[in-house]
Amino acid sequence: AQSVAQPEDQVNVAEGNPLTVKCTYSVSGNPYLFWYVQYPNRGLQFLLKYITGDNLVKGSYGFEAEFNKSQTSFHLKKPSALVSDSALYFCAVRDEAGTALIFGKGTTLSVSS
Amino acid sequence: EAGVVQSPRYKIIEKKQPVAFWCNPISGHNTLYWYRQNLGQGPELLIRYENEEAVDDSQLPKDRFSAERLKGVDSTLKIQPAELGDSAVYLCASSARDRGGEKLFFGSGTQLSVL
Repeated sequence: AQSVAQPEDQVNVAEGNPLTVKCTYSVSGNPYLFWYVQYPNRGLQFLLKYITGDNLVKGSYGFEAEFNKSQTSFHLKKPSALVSDSALYFCAVRDEAGTALIFGKGTTLSVSS
Repeated sequence: EAGVVQSPRYKIIEKKQPVAFWCNPISGHNTLYWYRQNLGQGPELLIRYENEEAVDDSQLPKDRFSAERLKGVDSTLKIQPAELGDSAVYLCASSARDRGGEKLFFGSGTQLSVL
């Protein structure tokens, strides 16, 4: 069965510093990996996805994610954090069979000014 | 383009009462999902529709939950009777299959409180 783990409940970073939000996954076959962001009282919004190709995927709002097959990880990164990046971030995975996304429990990102 | 629309935004009911949630997906999206998000957790799939057919309802508690998607557009999720443990945010999402993967568009959700 496929699963996603986000080992950190919260990540704190100062504005202007780089940020990393961690995600590891387990899936049969090749993974389809996603990051979504949830702002307060808003629905989840798509940030980026990895299907195949380059291990570094670029997405919305300056975010990128690095796929590492040997470590079964898909960490979300941004070179310079903004206060407005503060939100709840979810990693998600599905398998090639096309089943629905399985989400991690989420990581709260807090960027201080 | 309008996004996924859900109503109501909030619902407070007493246990054992029925409740229904409505979702209007993005026009042209043939896949519709209902997820439940408990406090401090990620969304968990309840049911997935391809057009009007429920293709994955393995996680739907069928003794009290039901869903329908008539004509393959709008969808309704019902709970009868509601229990205290059903308090959560119910999210609807829709997608159109693009090349190699799916990008889900989520509504703002219905926050259910069962007293």
